[in-house]
Amino acid sequence: ETGVTQSPTHLIKTRGQQVTLRCSSQSGHNTVSWYQQALGQGPQFIFQYYREEENGRGNFPPRFSGLQFPNYSSELNVNALELDDSALYLCASSLLKGLAGGNEQFFGPGTRLTVL
Amino acid sequence: AQKVTQAQTEISVVEKEDVTLDCVYETRDTTYYLFWYKQPPSGELVFLIRRNSFDEQNEISGRYSWNFQKSTSSFNFTITASQVVDSAVYFCALSEVLQAGTALIFGKGTTLSVSS
Repeated sequence: ETGVTQSPTHLIKTRGQQVTLRCSSQSGHNTVSWYQQALGQGPQFIFQYYREEENGRGNFPPRFSGLQFPNYSSELNVNALELDDSALYLCASSLLKGLAGGNEQFFGPGTRLTVL
Repeated sequence: AQKVTQAQTEISVVEKEDVTLDCVYETRDTTYYLFWYKQPPSGELVFLIRRNSFDEQNEISGRYSWNFQKSTSSFNFTITASQVVDSAVYFCALSEVLQAGTALIFGKGTTLSVSS
């Protein structure tokens, strides 16, 4: 069984640029969530994708957008990067059965984004 | 509002000591789930346990045990006979219902340092 993978591992961008982060779900999972973890803080929910549609969103501006593909992999796009976007971005996959909640989320190793 | 509070920012113990990590939560939901995750220095979040709000039985898994008390909205985590490998940041998380499935609301984490 392949776990959740993310690419790239590290990324350095400058303010105003755009970035795309990628995530491959664990085999058999159909839901992908993205979280932002600033230094010394807990992860904060950005959004979740299920059946290729956004299923819920946290308190993040529209310049944070995403996609889920038919193979359940996902992308997180951030436009007009700001210094405060510097963080560890975590992707988590899970298996959602019907509309039941509480499904365990399995996390990837994260992408460390630095905005200069 | 959904909220998780981990009042202990850092805890230092010597190997073989028992240690308890506290977690207090707030939720408006009648059905919810609580989680604990471990984040070692590598950065990847490792799932430890999920607890349904209707199941208040304590759980033990090897050296780990969890005490869920709905009356005090607490879900505490105890490590018995701690080891150096237990050194990590530990996060408590609460489920938040989405259109389908759930997002995780994390506390700020407790950094546990176990010395030999």
